[in-house]
Amino acid sequence: EIVLTQSPGTLSLSPGERATLSCRASQSVSSSYLAWYQQKPGQAPRLLIYGASSRATGIPDRFSGSGSGTDFTLTISRLEPEDFAVYYCQQYGSSQYTFGQGTKLEIK
Amino acid sequence: QVQLVQSGAEVKKPGASVKVSCKASGYTFTSYDINWVRQATGQGLEWMGWMNPNSGNTGYAQKFQGRVTMTRNTSISTAYMELSSLRSEDTAVYYCARVLRRDGYNWAALDYWGQGTLVTVSS
Repeated sequence: EIVLTQSPGTLSLSPGERATLSCRASQSVSSSYLAWYQQKPGQAPRLLIYGASSRATGIPDRFSGSGSGTDFTLTISRLEPEDFAVYYCQQYGSSQYTFGQGTKLEIK
Repeated sequence: QVQLVQSGAEVKKPGASVKVSCKASGYTFTSYDINWVRQATGQGLEWMGWMNPNSGNTGYAQKFQGRVTMTRNTSISTAYMELSSLRSEDTAVYYCARVLRRDGYNWAALDYWGQGTLVTVSS
């Protein structure tokens, strides 16, 4: 099973700042099968990025994804108040999905 | 519009089974895989398994092998997840989610989610 490790566990930033979230895999992941989600309290997760770098429908362009192999990054260029939430990465390989443990993005 | 509507909250005793439903609308049910994901209170997302509604083929996370069964009824566009031998650690919100297909390709990302079903296991 591929293990995804996200860092940092908590990120404290102010609106307008840039956020960089990391997702590291225990073995190589196909870029086609790396996704990022945002989850707010009491809500289901929302797909942000698929295929490591493609934005899902309706996702603002301040969200971008990059990376390959074992290292992937979600970047939020300028934080808006509604961006403070928990973010998860997810991979698929060998008919199995796994999620990272999440990064909480909180207001500083 | 695409919607996944799940059944209501359940309270079960240890050792019992629970069956959660997920009714799809707004798209062709048999054209998109359905996954099930759970989340204990204050914890992260945990993948449980996938099902192809067209073939009925399934794939389960090792952790749930032997305890989980995913099925469907195509006539009513509904997927089901049954979890048996429940224990207190199974208390969580259970989500169904559709797998994104775009340009004829399965991207193995979950683009639409149900509202979640809280399953509480307590004696």
